[in-house]
Amino acid sequence: GENVEQHPSTLSVQEGDSAVIKCTYSDSASNYFPWYKQELGKRPQLIIDIRSNVGEKKDQRIAVTLNKTAKHFSLHITETQPEDSAVYFCAATHNSGGSNYKLTFGKGTLLTVNP
Amino acid sequence: DAGVIQSPRHEVTEMGQEVTLRCKPISGHNSLFWYRQTMMRGLELLIYFNNNVPIDDSGMPEDRFSAKMPNASFSTLKIQPSEPRDSAVYFCASNPSGTGINEQFFGPGTRLTVL
Repeated sequence: GENVEQHPSTLSVQEGDSAVIKCTYSDSASNYFPWYKQELGKRPQLIIDIRSNVGEKKDQRIAVTLNKTAKHFSLHITETQPEDSAVYFCAATHNSGGSNYKLTFGKGTLLTVNP
Repeated sequence: DAGVIQSPRHEVTEMGQEVTLRCKPISGHNSLFWYRQTMMRGLELLIYFNNNVPIDDSGMPEDRFSAKMPNASFSTLKIQPSEPRDSAVYFCASNPSGTGINEQFFGPGTRLTVL
């Protein structure tokens, strides 16, 4: 089955700095890579995702990059703000058209943005 | 839209007791997932259903755990007998599989404490 490794487990940055979280996956058939954000005591929520036919995707201050050859993908947050403080999870799956799939999650990264 | 509904939000029970967690997916979503979240193991998929049918229960820890989905709007996760190591936050998530929408929408979770 799929195995997803995520680093670092904790990350502390100053407000305005950039943050980068990295994940590796084991199953070369995986083709869908979402990132979820979980604020303290809340539910995980999707913030951005990328498919294997794309190398990079951006949405305002967040971006995700994918290297299929190396089987790793990363989350980049620029101009960090205190409200970015949360646990971020990467995940991977082989999604054949959006039906009958399951996500394998990384262990999560606790991001703290210091004012 | 009410989102995914879970009950109870908190459950405290004694070792050996039966625990039943409940989930109502978003109307029209035909995939339903049960996750367990702990500090040590992160987010683990326990079981998922598609069109009320269990597709993959390989994440169910042992025979003490069982899940059912009698209809499209209701699912239960039962632990009998419960043990202290079952203490965790249990999330239910749903997705409209086959529509091209890949996001899994999580419920607020049930925090289970087994004494």
